[in-house]
Amino acid sequence: NAGVTQTPKFRVLKTGQSMTLLCAQDMNHEYMYWYRQDPGMGLRLIHYSVGEGTTAKGEVPDGYNVSRLKKQNFLLGLESAAPSQTSVYFCASEGVRRGNQPQHFGDGTRLSIL
Amino acid sequence: GQQVMQIPQYQHVQEGEDFTTYCNSSTTLSNIQWYKQRPGGHPVFLIQLVKSGEVKKQKRLTFQFGEAKKNSSLHITATQTTDVGTYFCAGSGYGGSQGNLIFGKGTKLSVKP
Repeated sequence: NAGVTQTPKFRVLKTGQSMTLLCAQDMNHEYMYWYRQDPGMGLRLIHYSVGEGTTAKGEVPDGYNVSRLKKQNFLLGLESAAPSQTSVYFCASEGVRRGNQPQHFGDGTRLSIL
Repeated sequence: GQQVMQIPQYQHVQEGEDFTTYCNSSTTLSNIQWYKQRPGGHPVFLIQLVKSGEVKKQKRLTFQFGEAKKNSSLHITATQTTDVGTYFCAGSGYGGSQGNLIFGKGTKLSVKP
């Protein structure tokens, strides 16, 4: 059981570079989420999707874009990376009732912006 | 907006001691979930509480949801070194964007053998 798979696991970028983080789930879940985790800050929601072709802003969306062209994939893009975006990024998916079922997390992407 | 506060931020215990973390929401929750994150790992779902006053147990772990559905607690009896990690509560409101989970900042538990 793969569950939620995130790629890459680690990445170092220079300020101003762009990159895309990929999240793939094989559980046919409707809902997908991108969080960032910083020391002492818990998990903060960046963007989320309630289904294929939909996206919405979360708590900290600035500097990020997302796309959900296929139900199983949720992409997080950084157009022009900034040191403040150094963080651990987690993708999560959820079944059929948003906010009322367990979220399944990927292993995370550790991103450093120099 | 909706906020979920969790205390304490850190807890250091001797193996065999009990541990409790508390979670408080600024608004009434439809449900609350608890997650555990091992060092270097990802959050893993532990349990969900839905009903007012609900109490659930998983072996040495006891979870409670307050009568007003605005607070919750996780209590671990006789901690073991395998309990090490960060425990997060996450609450969900009612409808729309409030359907998203709002995570507390977590309580990091360390256990001294």
